Amino acid sequence: QKEVEQNSGPLSVPEGAIASLNCTYSDRGSQSFFWYRQYSGKSPELIMFIYSNGDKEDGRFTAQLNKASQYVSLLIRDSQPSDSATYLCAVRGGYNKLIFGAGTRLAVHP
Amino acid sequence: DTGVSQDPRHKITKRGQNVTFRCDPISEHNRLYWYRQTLGQGPEFLTYFQNEAQLEKSRLLSDRFSAERPKGSFSTLEIQRTEQGDSAMYLCASSLNWHPGLPSAASTDTQYFGPGTRLTVL
Repeated sequence: QKEVEQNSGPLSVPEGAIASLNCTYSDRGSQSFFWYRQYSGKSPELIMFIYSNGDKEDGRFTAQLNKASQYVSLLIRDSQPSDSATYLCAVRGGYNKLIFGAGTRLAVHP
Repeated sequence: DTGVSQDPRHKITKRGQNVTFRCDPISEHNRLYWYRQTLGQGPEFLTYFQNEAQLEKSRLLSDRFSAERPKGSFSTLEIQRTEQGDSAMYLCASSLNWHPGLPSAASTDTQYFGPGTRLTVL
């Protein structure tokens, strides 16, 4: 079992819709979770981090964490074509290293 | 621009050659990380420095790989005797770990990535 799992996609949503990206992790002791966006050929760009159970909102983005279910999600409201990218879920491991999933490719079509 | 910088951005080399990459972290950040990313995968951790001390190395980091961070500022990653399997994007990230006196929002030990160095080994 991989430490961080994501559906590779592509997830295709129409412009203006809500995109829902999901991530599960195997280490029940994990405390810190991150979402990065990566455009093709570029490096990961931090979107949000979340430490506590529940929801955390930042503009059009909402991260949701459920530690009991070992589940993290990212909601993108009012999706735009510019949101088309790969979204990487990461969990902080020992020595602060990030353990990434393989990413979910999101395609927002007009 | 005060972000993480990496040099070179692209490197093409022949199998068996040595290559060296440089990373300049965000100036006040004391932690520096190297990751490797191949197509269709997320970044994989290679090594971590706190100031000038290399505190952890992944098993992915074979004897052909060496990293340094002299004086706790920039870092270099060297790959000796490159192999075709070394072809990947090499990413550097930096972070500032929280310490007393900092507002809690000022540091979350969040890692910010540089633009990466894409290595192609022929």
